[in-house]
Amino acid sequence: EAQVTQNPRYLITVTGKKLTVTCSQNMNHEYMSWYRQDPGLGLRQIYYSMNVEVTDKGDVPEGYKVSRKEKRNFPLILESPSPNQTSLYFCASNTGGGRSPLHFGNGTRLTVT
Amino acid sequence: EDQVTQSPEALRLQEGESSSLNCSYTVSGLRGLFWYRQDPGKGPEFLFTLYSAGEEKEKERLKATLTKKESFLHITAPKPEDSATYLCAVQAAGGSYIPTFGRGTSLIVHP
Repeated sequence: EAQVTQNPRYLITVTGKKLTVTCSQNMNHEYMSWYRQDPGLGLRQIYYSMNVEVTDKGDVPEGYKVSRKEKRNFPLILESPSPNQTSLYFCASNTGGGRSPLHFGNGTRLTVT
Repeated sequence: EDQVTQSPEALRLQEGESSSLNCSYTVSGLRGLFWYRQDPGKGPEFLFTLYSAGEEKEKERLKATLTKKESFLHITAPKPEDSATYLCAVQAAGGSYIPTFGRGTSLIVHP
């Protein structure tokens, strides 16, 4: 089954404790991205990647890192999480080119205390 | 700057009461307009892509239409299972493949 898989689904952590949210897709998609979704603000893009070893900032990149060492994986790294990074996070992928829809993962709900 | 505005923010309907959701957009050349459905706590699920003014797509009780300035998602005789947040996104022509999302319309259909 074609899918985008994120882990974990839920994560509670404390301020400053480094964490990684994994994302994997099995559709051989070139384009992958990370979004955060907050009430009243909608989906905001954090980082995106056009292909292996090619990443770029989205609208809200501060406090986040990403890497794209393999085509299928695009982990999101929070080196020193803060409470304002409490949010619902989504990974998404598509074939690129701007005319294909995004396939989203089921989300990671992160709480930073 | 590309902009997408969805209205209304929230909509309550009785089962069987047809209505429309609006997505107004400003973009420097449209590559594609996308509609997604999002259930609470889940990732958005793709519904339709529209590429040019005048285009229409249908799926069950949903019909999406597109003009040069806006798109409508028409819901005919909705059922409670149509309750969800509906998101609109536009992809501009040009080098960047970053879609711009609207904030969504939360639809509740009462039985």
